[in-house]
Amino acid sequence: SYDLTQPPSVSVSPGQSANITCSGDKLGNKYPCWYQQKPGQSPVLLIYQGTKRPSGIPERFSGSNSGNTATLTISGTQAMDEADYYCQAWDGHTGMVFGTGTTVTVL
Amino acid sequence: QVQLVQSGAEVKKPGASVKISCRASENIFTSYYVHWVRQAPGQGLGWMGIINPSGGSTSYAQKFQGRVTMTRDTSTSTVYMELSSLRSEDTAVYYCARGGGGDWRWTDYWGQGTLVAVSS
Repeated sequence: SYDLTQPPSVSVSPGQSANITCSGDKLGNKYPCWYQQKPGQSPVLLIYQGTKRPSGIPERFSGSNSGNTATLTISGTQAMDEADYYCQAWDGHTGMVFGTGTTVTVL
Repeated sequence: QVQLVQSGAEVKKPGASVKISCRASENIFTSYYVHWVRQAPGQGLGWMGIINPSGGSTSYAQKFQGRVTMTRDTSTSTVYMELSSLRSEDTAVYYCARGGGGDWRWTDYWGQGTLVAVSS
């Protein structure tokens, strides 16, 4: 099976940048994307195809990917950005795979 | 904006089956794939499978092979996910999600989730 690994938690001060990594074999070739999920809510797509941002998503969310790692960057983090973040990729054998999830805390 | 509306919460006994519906606010299903994803309490997201509503073809995660069935009714813009032989570990919130931009490799819109509780 195909696995995606994320750090369990990231802490960031308001106004600073937060970087969340996602690691998987040849992830850069697997259309990585990112979701935000707040307690009691459905996931929301933040980034797709590695770097693209859907309409309505603030510009402070950006994505990059290369090789085996995809990264979600939150620039100028706000208190409202406290949430769980999941990466996701498509593997031809396994199907849709989600990362282990990262809880972002804004201190 | 596209809305996916799911059926309400269910309480089931071990060994029973549950069938959850996901209705789209507009007839998107002839052009978009639909995924089912579940999330156990306090846990991460887990993919269950995908249905291509235009032709009805499906692909299921190996973990659920033999227990899950995904179907669709294009006349009502509704897709269904049925999970059988329920056990306590199946207690989770189940989501439907539309394949993004007509692609199957990511999702853009999600339903509100359906809680399924399995308890004797």
